[in-house]
Amino acid sequence: AQTVTQSQPEMSVQEAETVTLSCTYDTSESDYYLFWYKQPPSRQMILVIRQEAYKQQNATENRFSVNFQKAAKSFSLKISDSQLGDAAMYFCAYPGAGSYQLTFGKGTKLSVIP
Amino acid sequence: EAGVAQSPRYKIIEKRQSVAFWCNPISGHATLYWYQQILGQGPKLLIQFQNNGVVDDSQLPKDRFSAERLKGVDSTLKIQPAKLEDSAVYLCASSSSRGGFSKNIQYFGAGTRLSVL
Repeated sequence: AQTVTQSQPEMSVQEAETVTLSCTYDTSESDYYLFWYKQPPSRQMILVIRQEAYKQQNATENRFSVNFQKAAKSFSLKISDSQLGDAAMYFCAYPGAGSYQLTFGKGTKLSVIP
Repeated sequence: EAGVAQSPRYKIIEKRQSVAFWCNPISGHATLYWYQQILGQGPKLLIQFQNNGVVDDSQLPKDRFSAERLKGVDSTLKIQPAKLEDSAVYLCASSSSRGGFSKNIQYFGAGTRLSVL
């Protein structure tokens, strides 16, 4: 069974500072994608960033970047220059090849302190 | 471009009653997903449709849950009869399914929060 583990139930960061959210996953596949989704109190899941496993370069989207360690099966999200609007639940997700469903971690609740 | 639409936003029912949720995916998206998100957990897939056919419903409690996607567009998810443990947020998502399922981004609706009393 595919598993996605987020070991930090809650994190906090000062506004304008940098925070890193951790995620590990289990797979026997070699080619796959990984996703980070954000879920604000409005409940709508919003894609933050995705990483292609066969690409060695870490994905970057504005203030969001990932540290992808394929051998360690680690996929952490770094948020730079944190803003109040970044406060939300963050979910790591893995859609295993051959399995169409997204498997989500339990999430990390991020608080941004003004 | 309009996003995934879901209704209602909230629903409160008593146990053993029935309830239905509606989802309209992004135009042109062939794949539609229903997820259940229990408080404090990540979403869990209930059922996946490709056009109007079921791709995966292995985690759908079929004794009480049913779903359909007529004409390959809108979808409804029904619970009958509801149990206390069905209290959750029900999320609908859609994707275009081009280039292989695992690569496609899933776009989510705002979900329906169900409370079963």
